[in-house]
Amino acid sequence: EVQLVESGGGLVQPGGSLRLSCSASGFTFGSFAMHWVRQAPGKGLEDVSGITSNGGTTHYADSVKGRFTISRDNSKNTLYLQMSSLRVDDTAVYYCVKDREWAMARVFDDWGQGTLVTVSS
Amino acid sequence: DIQMTQSPSSLSASVGDRVTITCRASQSIRTYLNWYQQKPGKAPKLLIYAASSLQSGVPSRFSGSGSGTDFTLTISSLQPEDFVTYYCQQGYSKLTFGGGTKVEIK
Repeated sequence: EVQLVESGGGLVQPGGSLRLSCSASGFTFGSFAMHWVRQAPGKGLEDVSGITSNGGTTHYADSVKGRFTISRDNSKNTLYLQMSSLRVDDTAVYYCVKDREWAMARVFDDWGQGTLVTVSS
Repeated sequence: DIQMTQSPSSLSASVGDRVTITCRASQSIRTYLNWYQQKPGKAPKLLIYAASSLQSGVPSRFSGSGSGTDFTLTISSLQPEDFVTYYCQQGYSKLTFGGGTKVEIK
């Protein structure tokens, strides 16, 4: 059974930083692209970032480009999202998401339970 | 960027009804269209990928169709657990989601 468990969310002040982690199990982590998708309270889903299976290619939404960095450690079966210069409108539940393929096919077949990031003074 | 317009944003229906949700892309996305179901307080779940392929484990009452710019998700006979929110998502160029459709009990 695929399991994706996010951690690292919490309350941070505007301009601050936070690092999210996603621990994966139940599948060969190093064989699949991974993504972060977020959902602001009461709102729809929004792409954040993606990374190919070997980490060689990354993608960022325009709204986070230059502020967020996605990375992965295949030896630890873990996906990361380093977030800096956080803004109030970054407040959301952040989901760790598994892609169906090694490249970014952008078909999300497994999701974590999400971790809440709140940016507020 | 490709915009995804989902309609309606909400609908009311009864158990057993046939329901259709539409998603329109601002340009052709071939069949790079996926559908997700989200229950309150839970993560989304993949229902349909590549416009018409049923994800493993998803009940056969769910089906998808379309190509190019116009797509539909059909639920052939609504069950009580289907009264939740549905999202379309394109993966042709970058990645964008539709605004969602909330299916409510009439």
